[in-house]
Amino acid sequence: NAGVTQTPKFQVLKTGQSMTLQCAQDMNHNSMYWYRQDPGMGLRLIYYSASEGTTDKGEVPNGYNVSRLNKREFSLRLESAAPSQTSVYFCASNIGGTDTQYFGPGTRLTVL
Amino acid sequence: EDKVVQSPLSLVVHEGDTVTLNCSYEVTNFRSLLWYKQEKKAPTFLFMLTSSGIEKKSGRLSSILDKKELFSILNITATQTGDSAVYLCAVGNAGGTSYGKLTFGQGTILTVHP
Repeated sequence: NAGVTQTPKFQVLKTGQSMTLQCAQDMNHNSMYWYRQDPGMGLRLIYYSASEGTTDKGEVPNGYNVSRLNKREFSLRLESAAPSQTSVYFCASNIGGTDTQYFGPGTRLTVL
Repeated sequence: EDKVVQSPLSLVVHEGDTVTLNCSYEVTNFRSLLWYKQEKKAPTFLFMLTSSGIEKKSGRLSSILDKKELFSILNITATQTGDSAVYLCAVGNAGGTSYGKLTFGQGTILTVHP
């Protein structure tokens, strides 16, 4: 039981490049989330998926897209990376019926 | 807009000290308040509080919620170097249809020196 896994762990991009961050959970959770964490700002919600087949914007969705591929997997795509997207990205999941979320190990992204 | 404010932003103590971390919130439809511990990786869940005045306790850590005054505290007694971490407070909003949509505070950085 691996919980929530994320790939890659680290990534360096040049401005304008695109990439997809992958997230998978093996806990049979219904809901999944993408956050970014910047110094002094806590965790900010980018997008979430309350259930398979649905996605919704969070607090900071601009510049990102998501896909809920199936119940296990939720990916985050940066179409044209910008330096302002340099951050640590966390994926989380939630079984539903409670607010408790379980987090993956994070992806540290640097955009030059 | 929901808002969660933690204080202090950072705290340095010595082993054996007791610390109190604060979390105040403004949420339109409060449902729950959660505490997480974050070392150099993923946040890990500590407590969830939904009812006012009830203390949740796990070993040296305890937390209480005051829904009237809109705040929570996290106490750590007899601190150890392993308690050094960022402590995050988050609030769940009952508006909308889904659970788990949280608003996080900025975190308190706790450093425990030997």
